[in-house]
Amino acid sequence: QKEVEQNSGPLSVPEGAIASLNCTYSDRGSQSFFWYRQYSGKSPELIMFIYSNGDKEDGRFTAQLNKASQYVSLLIRDSQPSDSATYLCAVNDYGQNFVFGPGTRLSVLP
Amino acid sequence: DGGITQSPKYLFRKEGQNVTLSCEQNLNHDAMYWYRQDPGQGLRLIYYSQIVNDFQKGDIAEGYSVSREKKESFPLTVTSAQKNPTAFYLCASSISRAGVTKNIQYFGAGTRLSVL
Repeated sequence: QKEVEQNSGPLSVPEGAIASLNCTYSDRGSQSFFWYRQYSGKSPELIMFIYSNGDKEDGRFTAQLNKASQYVSLLIRDSQPSDSATYLCAVNDYGQNFVFGPGTRLSVLP
Repeated sequence: DGGITQSPKYLFRKEGQNVTLSCEQNLNHDAMYWYRQDPGQGLRLIYYSQIVNDFQKGDIAEGYSVSREKKESFPLTVTSAQKNPTAFYLCASSISRAGVTKNIQYFGAGTRLSVL
């Protein structure tokens, strides 16, 4: 059974701080990794994807991948109240299988 | 405007009734998926399809049925056998060709199903 684990939270950070979200996965065959943001009552929205070990930056978001440790993280710099949402981690094996974690609820406090 | 369209946004089911949720995509994606999400929970895979006229059961297929007669369309029927259908249903699609590095999954806006 392929599994993706995340802390359910809530993770609370003050406005302007760095939010750090973590994800571990069980399948060493996983090749691509995704972070989705889901606002309450809405569908998931892709915010980052990463394929290679190391860091990938896009604006205030940085995804970090360590395949040896089977670990992927998302850093959100200068967190804003509008970043308050549930963040879903997903992994893919280059086939049709996407496995999602349960999500981490982030609360950014003004 | 490219994307995935789900309808209706809200749906109510009476006991013993089958209901069908629509999902249409114009992204020319090969694969389509149906997920169920319960409050405070992650996504659970119901069915997926990689090509027309072919589909596979996911983790929670009991009480659901699908068809894939066209590449663009992947409707989900919630049958009367599904005793607890109240949930948020999400349709997704992806390119899904083997070895494609950017096999990204995109989601529709979702259908919220409730039981009367």
